[in-house]
Amino acid sequence: EAGVAQSPRYKIIEKRQSVAFWCNPISGHATLYWYQQILGQGPKLLIQFQNNGVVDDSQLPKDRFSAERLKGVDSTLKIQPAKLEDSAVYLCASSLGRSSGNTIYFGEGSWLTVV
Amino acid sequence: DAKTTQPPSMDCAEGRAANLPCNHSTISGNEYVYWYRQIHSQGPQYIIHGLKNNETNEMASLIITEDRKSSTLILPHATLRDTAVYYCIVRVAPSSASKIIFGSGTRLSIRP
Repeated sequence: EAGVAQSPRYKIIEKRQSVAFWCNPISGHATLYWYQQILGQGPKLLIQFQNNGVVDDSQLPKDRFSAERLKGVDSTLKIQPAKLEDSAVYLCASSLGRSSGNTIYFGEGSWLTVV
Repeated sequence: DAKTTQPPSMDCAEGRAANLPCNHSTISGNEYVYWYRQIHSQGPQYIIHGLKNNETNEMASLIITEDRKSSTLILPHATLRDTAVYYCIVRVAPSSASKIIFGSGTRLSIRP
């Protein structure tokens, strides 16, 4: 079974530029998550989708971050304009559904460096 | 905020059992305990989860106390490849967003 796919794997941009990350969840998984992990810390949830609807985006800095999940499959996370503190790994994850008995599987992450 | 407490670091000799403790004293009756690990530069990897009963799979065993306020992850024969940060997570109840909230985890070092 294919896992959660993410791209690009690595990205370096200058501050105030924009960047977009793409995620393809495991086939059939209705719930999709984006996490931000700053070096030395645990991942922090940014946004959660159920199919193509947003369930939780309370931790998403909406002035610069946006995310969408068109057609309830792939998702894109965008940062515009980027700040130095956005340097982090952006992890996409998916699960079959919202029940706490459904395992959440993570992708390898997209590493962002803002200079 | 994370609902679990773990020691920041532990070490274990290769070939021995690694026992990683976790306190989750405020766990609710319908919340699961999940364990993930993260090897450097990789995404978190699912290990095991449980509700009340002890669980075992090919990677590890999970022992949950009868009152469910704490648990222990057991790696029966630790190898150097088990060096990672291990996260104990209580999964928020299904009536809400059922997200995973990570704490700081335990950094496990396996010594040769």
